[in-house]
Parts: sequence; structure tokens; C-alpha cells
Amino acid sequence: QKEVEQNSGPLSVPEGAIASLNCTYSDRGSQSFFWYRQYSGKSPELIMSIYSNGDKEDGRFTAQLNKASQYVSLLIRDSQPSDSATYLCAVKRSGGSNYKLTFGKGTLLTVNP
Amino acid sequence: DADVTQTPRNRITKTGKRIMLECSQTKGHDRMYWYRQDPGLGLRLIYYSFDVKDINKGEISDGYSVSRQAQAKFSLSLESAIPNQTALYFCATSAPDRGRGEKLFFGSGTQLSVL
Repeated sequence: QKEVEQNSGPLSVPEGAIASLNCTYSDRGSQSFFWYRQYSGKSPELIMSIYSNGDKEDGRFTAQLNKASQYVSLLIRDSQPSDSATYLCAVKRSGGSNYKLTFGKGTLLTVNP
Repeated sequence: DADVTQTPRNRITKTGKRIMLECSQTKGHDRMYWYRQDPGLGLRLIYYSFDVKDINKGEISDGYSVSRQAQAKFSLSLESAIPNQTALYFCATSAPDRGRGEKLFFGSGTQLSVL
């Protein structure tokens, strides 16, 4: 089983719709969860972090975490063409001597005008 | 000016050559990382350093070495490049956030092609 799994997409949504991006992880010791956005040909940038079960909202973005189900998602409301990018889920296990931040392969989102 | 600067931006080399990729940062962060990104495989950690005297292997360190010359500089070397090291390489920095997981700041990347 892969450590962090995402649907590769492409996920295509019309402008103004809600885009839902999903991520599952295998390590139950994971404590910190991140969503990075990567435009084509560019470097990743952090858009959301979440550490506790439930929802965390930041503008049009909402991250949702369910540790019991080992599931984290990102919702983008009122999707815009500028949201078209690859979204990377990253999961970090806290504690111990080894740094371990694991990225998923990313989901390509296309928002159609 | 970019906070995390990688040089070169693009490099084409031949099998067996020694290559060095350089990274410098002005963010004042102690922690620095080298990742590679391959289509379909995502970002994978090669090496990381939490301070000048601390160097650690990541999940795919074979065939690579690193040097932390100063807090602001972290270089990645391929001693004898091979074609399957063709990839997009990212340097990143971070500052710790109460142990919960820090935000990574990435450089613009170096596209390396090994022929």
C-alpha cells in the first residue's frame, strides 16, 4: 500500500463549481497534513495545513481531516481558471529522529471557463 | 530576488559526469532539503539538513551526496550521473513550527537531463 495516495486526475470542473480533492494515507502515526499547489513548470507552494480532525477554512479553500478514516481532503469553492494546477497532498509523522514528510503524486485540476 | 535560489535552472550532461546543483537561501532558515520530482512519482526526498553539522539521507539518497557549506548554502552532487537521474530537482527550506510540521519554501527547480 502506498503511503500517500491521490487520484492523479485530471479532475475537470466548470468555473464557479466546487472542486473536491482527496487524499488517503497509511501511517496512523501521521500528525500533520498539508496541501501544496503546483502550477505547471513552477515549484510547489503551501496553501493549507491541518492538524486536527474536522474542517479548516481559509478563503475559498477548506481542508478536511478524518484521522479515523485516514483521509484528508481539500475543497475549493467558486473554482476559478487560475486554480488550474496540480495539488499535492503531504503527510508528516511527528516525533522520532527521522524527518518524514511524504508527498502524494498529486491531482491535476482543470477549471474550465 | 528569490528567497531560495537554485543554479543552474537547466543542465544537460552525459552519463558518468559529475554534476553539482547549488542552492542558496536568504530566509534565514536552518533546515534545508533536496527533492526530486518525476512524472507519475511525485516529490521524493533525497537528503535533508537541519543545521550546518547535520546531514541526513532521505528515501532515495543512493547515487547522490550533499554538502552544507553554510547555513544558507546546500549543494547536491551526482558523482557519476546516470540517465535515470534525469528529473526536476527542488531545493527547499523550512523553519520548525512547534514540532507540528513546518512550511516548505521551494526554489524554482533545476531540470537535469542525463544523456
